[in-house]
Amino acid sequence: LAKTTQPISMDSYEGQEVNITCSHNNIATNDYITWYQQFPSQGPRFIIQGYKTKVTNEVASLFIPADRKSSTLSLPRVSLSDTAVYYCLVVTGRRALTFGSGTRLQVQP
Amino acid sequence: GAVVSQHPSWVICKSGTSVKIECRSLDFQATTMFWYRQFPKQSLMLMATSNEGSKATYEQGVEKDKFLINHASLTLSTLTVTSAHPEDSSFYICSADGLSGDSPLHFGNGTRLTVT
Repeated sequence: LAKTTQPISMDSYEGQEVNITCSHNNIATNDYITWYQQFPSQGPRFIIQGYKTKVTNEVASLFIPADRKSSTLSLPRVSLSDTAVYYCLVVTGRRALTFGSGTRLQVQP
Repeated sequence: GAVVSQHPSWVICKSGTSVKIECRSLDFQATTMFWYRQFPKQSLMLMATSNEGSKATYEQGVEKDKFLINHASLTLSTLTVTSAHPEDSSFYICSADGLSGDSPLHFGNGTRLTVT
């Protein structure tokens, strides 16, 4: 399984754009990248996933460079409610997800 | 979208008793369900993989006789914590997989177990 490395924590202010970068140097050809958000005492919530280049949905964008050894989750104009832990995962086939330590994002007013 | 429901959302039990946690896929059939445990300030740790109609596969270090998993139907898996002890107090989360292609896995909202 491809191991992921992401910052333990990040701080931001309301209205700012937040970029969380994750490295996954040994990602395999068929793997794709997925990001989850988790609030305290709740299960992880799917945010976005992608294989290469850029993916955008209503809540976030995901940038994946050509070598796919890293990815960046971009949250536009964060609010206090975006304070959460964000997990970057590399997915292989239909399998259980292996969670790393995640990034604890704290948004200040 | 796919919905995974867990029940109860929290439970308090006395040491030595057993507790059952249910995980249901509400709008799809889940051939496989996964059970995780999460301690405070830590990440999710996979406990076991539950396949409908067959025995669960447990991760190393997880006692199968203590954490009984039953996946009797395509929409329901249960985790029973037997003879619970205070160290079993944790947040238990399930996820269900039954969708095709690269659809993301969806998670239940977790069950907070407190053993007194």
